[in-house]
Amino acid sequence: NAGVTQTPKFRILKIGQSMTLQCTQDMNHNYMYWYRQDPGMGLKLIYYSVGAGITDKGEVPNGYNVSRSTTEDFPLRLELAAPSQTSVYFCASSLREEGEQFFGPGTRLTVL
Amino acid sequence: ILNVEQSPQSLHVQEGDSTNFTCSFPSSNFYALHWYRWETAKSPEALFVMTLNGDEKKKGRISATLNTKEGYSYLYIKGSQPEDSATYLCAFLSGGGADGLTFGKGTHLIIQP
Repeated sequence: NAGVTQTPKFRILKIGQSMTLQCTQDMNHNYMYWYRQDPGMGLKLIYYSVGAGITDKGEVPNGYNVSRSTTEDFPLRLELAAPSQTSVYFCASSLREEGEQFFGPGTRLTVL
Repeated sequence: ILNVEQSPQSLHVQEGDSTNFTCSFPSSNFYALHWYRWETAKSPEALFVMTLNGDEKKKGRISATLNTKEGYSYLYIKGSQPEDSATYLCAFLSGGGADGLTFGKGTHLIIQP
């Protein structure tokens, strides 16, 4: 099992550009999550999904969109990149609602 | 917005010493408390998931306790080793699991040889 994979590992965007961060898991987990990690701050939940076709906002959803068309994939889209979106983004999945979360390796995004 | 506090923010410990740190969380509407270990340049990895008041869990030299009535959890490391150097995160899940985990900012542990 590859677990949770994320692409790309690094990306530099210009202000106003758009991009999609990819996340795939091969553990057949229903629950998937997107977090961002900023220096000195804890992980903040952006969006989460409890199964294919179902998504919901987390604590910091503004400027992002998600979709969940399959159990395996949970892409995060930035439509108009802003410097405030410079961060490290982690995708995670879990088998149960309260269960341990398995994290991907992260995507480091810089918006200039 | 839920408040999850961890203390201390950072900690330097001599190799071989034991140490502990704290996670405080809301005492109402509790569902689960997670502990994660996060090494530099890696991803967080789960240590414990605790759901019942009074839970005590152990993995090797690391153990954790949970008090949901007063809203705190302790993580203990016995006989610290250099490989224990990492950031330890706790995360709170409120009743029903809605809204996902709320993470604390972590305790950054450095083990000095």
